[in-house]
Amino acid sequence: RKEVEQDPGPFNVPEGATVAFNCTYSNSASQSFFWYRQDCRKEPKLLMSVYSSGNEDGRFTAQLNRASQYISLLIRDSKLSDSATYLCVVNPGTYKYIFGTGTRLKVLA
Amino acid sequence: EAQVTQNPRYLITVTGKKLTVTCSQNMNHEYMSWYRQDPGLGLRQIYYSMNVEVTDKGDVPEGYKVSRKEKRNFPLILESPSPNQTSLYFCASSLMGQPQHFGDGTRLSIL
Repeated sequence: RKEVEQDPGPFNVPEGATVAFNCTYSNSASQSFFWYRQDCRKEPKLLMSVYSSGNEDGRFTAQLNRASQYISLLIRDSKLSDSATYLCVVNPGTYKYIFGTGTRLKVLA
Repeated sequence: EAQVTQNPRYLITVTGKKLTVTCSQNMNHEYMSWYRQDPGLGLRQIYYSMNVEVTDKGDVPEGYKVSRKEKRNFPLILESPSPNQTSLYFCASSLMGQPQHFGDGTRLSIL
């Protein structure tokens, strides 16, 4: 089993839709969780950190479920500019950061 | 401006010719890391450094070397590059356990 797993997609959604991605992790001792956004062959950029109580930033909501060992990202009112690959990142309490392979999102006009 | 700077951005070279990709950060981060990204495989960690003179192997260290003589710099060295090292490389830095900041990437082609 991979340490961090994501559905590769693509998720094709119309503008204005709500879409959610999940990311599962295998190490129950994991400490920190992040969502990054990556546009085609560009550097990953931090979208948001994921806190135990869940957190929201505008149209984006991140949640952590430690019991089931997954994190989620919800995007409301999708925009064309949200089209990208979304990377889940887990820090298992060591000096390493484990990246998922990413979920591709295409928002269609 | 806070940033991670990689050079070169693009490089085409030949098998066996030693090369170095430089990485510099101006945020006084103790943690720095190198990744390679290949289609379908995502970002894989090559080496990381917890502080000056402290480095360790990531998941795919074979064929690479690093050094951390100063806090701001973390060069990636390919002593004898081979075609299977053709990839997109990213350098990143952060405070320990915090989100990483990435450089713009280096597209490396080994012929």
